[in-house]
Amino acid sequence: QQPVQSPQAVILREGEDAVINCSSSKALYSVHWYRQKHGEAPVFLMILLKGGEQKGHEKISASFNEKKQQSSLYLTASQLSYSGTYFCGTASAGGTSYGKLTFGQGTILTVHP
Amino acid sequence: DGGITQSPKYLFRKEGQNVTLSCEQNLNHDAMYWYRQDPGQGLRLIYYSQIVNDFQKGDIAEGYSVSREKKESFPLTVTSAQKNPTAFYLCASSSTSGGPTGELFFGEGSRLTVL
Repeated sequence: QQPVQSPQAVILREGEDAVINCSSSKALYSVHWYRQKHGEAPVFLMILLKGGEQKGHEKISASFNEKKQQSSLYLTASQLSYSGTYFCGTASAGGTSYGKLTFGQGTILTVHP
Repeated sequence: DGGITQSPKYLFRKEGQNVTLSCEQNLNHDAMYWYRQDPGQGLRLIYYSQIVNDFQKGDIAEGYSVSREKKESFPLTVTSAQKNPTAFYLCASSSTSGGPTGELFFGEGSRLTVL
């Protein structure tokens, strides 16, 4: 089942903060976050693992609440380059489907000058 | 440079025709995936393969077929049985050594339009 993201869209001015949430009805092993700019491929941002470990490539923070099966992505002091659609992808606990992710419907983030 | 190459970038098809989308990677990744993207629906998994000569259906496999004869190649055929094939198709790969923590690397996508 597809995880649910909220909000569906958010509009910011440069320097403002935003939080994007991702909720699943399944027990999760990991949560991935990707950003996609219009007409381009999604780009990896961060992985959060059960147990609290985080792995990321950019200065973006996130949290993973294992009890609630929720993850939040925190974008602080937003820049114009942050604009795009953000997707969470979830991998369920159990099974052997390595890397098989189910993605949320996406959150459109627009940053204005 | 290592990466994933999808072709063609744009493809037009008449109803009733099969089309094949190419996906090649030189990242030496074991796992490869095909996702379909429609506006407002995120990315939905069509097929995935963890090893050569083996693949599994994803959430929306009906009307699609794949093959995995080589590690670096994972072509997707959109058959005439797919009722609504117009979409943006994304190929991805990951290293299975990372298990469910492996990040996905995506190609630039192929946009299929049925006329």
